[in-house]
Amino acid sequence: DSGVTQTPKHLITATGQRVTLRCSPRSGDLSVYWYQQSLDQGLQFLIQYYNGEERAKGNILERFSAQQFPDLHSELNLSSLELGDSALYFCASSTRTGTNTEAFFGQGTRLTVV
Amino acid sequence: SQQGEEDPQALSIQEGENATMNCSYKTSINNLQWYRQNSGRGLVHLILIRSNEREKHSGRLRVTLDTSKKSSSLLITASRAADTASYFCATEDNYGQNFVFGPGTRLSVLP
Repeated sequence: DSGVTQTPKHLITATGQRVTLRCSPRSGDLSVYWYQQSLDQGLQFLIQYYNGEERAKGNILERFSAQQFPDLHSELNLSSLELGDSALYFCASSTRTGTNTEAFFGQGTRLTVV
Repeated sequence: SQQGEEDPQALSIQEGENATMNCSYKTSINNLQWYRQNSGRGLVHLILIRSNEREKHSGRLRVTLDTSKKSSSLLITASRAADTASYFCATEDNYGQNFVFGPGTRLSVLP
């Protein structure tokens, strides 16, 4: 158990809908990262937050947004869903941004858009 | 674009053999890390090597780093069927931002 909790584990929704994925980082971790992993693909970095502030942005679509709350949990919002958004979405946390820290991953949310 | 690129994309070996995976990256890094992912599960951290280190060991794992070639290798010795997984390298840049992952190497260890 990494200590990172993601909910829900599975989500099936229709095209055009909006969903919210939730991540609770490990106790004390200030950094949260979101990744998308499509079938047979590597992990695409989406966005990073550190102590409530956006720290870095990757290949995140404009239809997607995220935030980190004062209690450090984070939510990833996906809207106007398309079939191609079906993927595993992972959240990871680390103690602080830089340096020489490892990331702890949640078990992911499997999103299926039908 | 991804920072790290693992090679090979897939590797199939017999139990007991050694498995070697390589990772190349593009920019200056603070450290490089290797992670393992069992099918459809979250990634698990294996080992971290700092930019001023050349080699590191952890159990059956040996990692090397060549910053002049911007490359790293992960060696798993005496592989077991339970080592079957995807292995990813990730880099942390000098700004302490991101864990940028490569596409991974799928390792199959046959009993």
